[in-house]
Amino acid sequence: SAVISQKPSRDICQRGTSLTIQCQVDSQVTMMFWYRQQPGQSLTLIATANQGSEATYESGFVIDKFPISRPNLTFSTLTVSNMSPEDSSIYLCSVGGADTQYFGPGTRLTVL
Amino acid sequence: AQTVTQSQPEMSVQEAETVTLSCTYDTSESNYYLFWYKQPPSRQMILVIRQEAYKQQNATENRFSVNFQKAAKSFSLKISDSQLGDTAMYFCAFMKYSGGGADGLTFGKGTHLIIQP
Repeated sequence: SAVISQKPSRDICQRGTSLTIQCQVDSQVTMMFWYRQQPGQSLTLIATANQGSEATYESGFVIDKFPISRPNLTFSTLTVSNMSPEDSSIYLCSVGGADTQYFGPGTRLTVL
Repeated sequence: AQTVTQSQPEMSVQEAETVTLSCTYDTSESNYYLFWYKQPPSRQMILVIRQEAYKQQNATENRFSVNFQKAAKSFSLKISDSQLGDTAMYFCAFMKYSGGGADGLTFGKGTHLIIQP
């Protein structure tokens, strides 16, 4: 299994600002995924990030709000833009093989 | 699109007992994977067990086993000899087969399992 780290582990931000979350993997992977877990809820897929191509967003998520970068096979960033209190969630990255997925420790974001 | 349903928001059992968590799903895909993930208070998502849909044999991992009923689209998790450390949220998840590549997961709402001493 891959070892995945995320930075920051948590943050408290003011509304209207943006936060960039980093995801680092200890091995090269083709597919990386970003999920959101709202308080007391399950995980929802935001987007799929392939190296060298534009991220693919799920219904209800748009690039202007959640821009994603994937500069190489071990790293990705998710930016939460123009934040509102409704963006308060845990954001998790994951990496996928053909038959499984492993998750990073998550970033707990609180927007005031 | 696929859906995953977990109908038990919370369950509580005594330590050393056996507990079964339910999960049903709906899909038109013929090839897919099903997972159970555990999320303790630390919020780290931990893979518990995986089942390939094309395999009839139920997956087992130590104290964890599944009952996979493909025709009924049912995928329950059995935890034997439950331990205090099993206390966590358990999520059932679906991933369609994408010809060698990975795909995003669809999660159920989760079951909060509490193991009582």
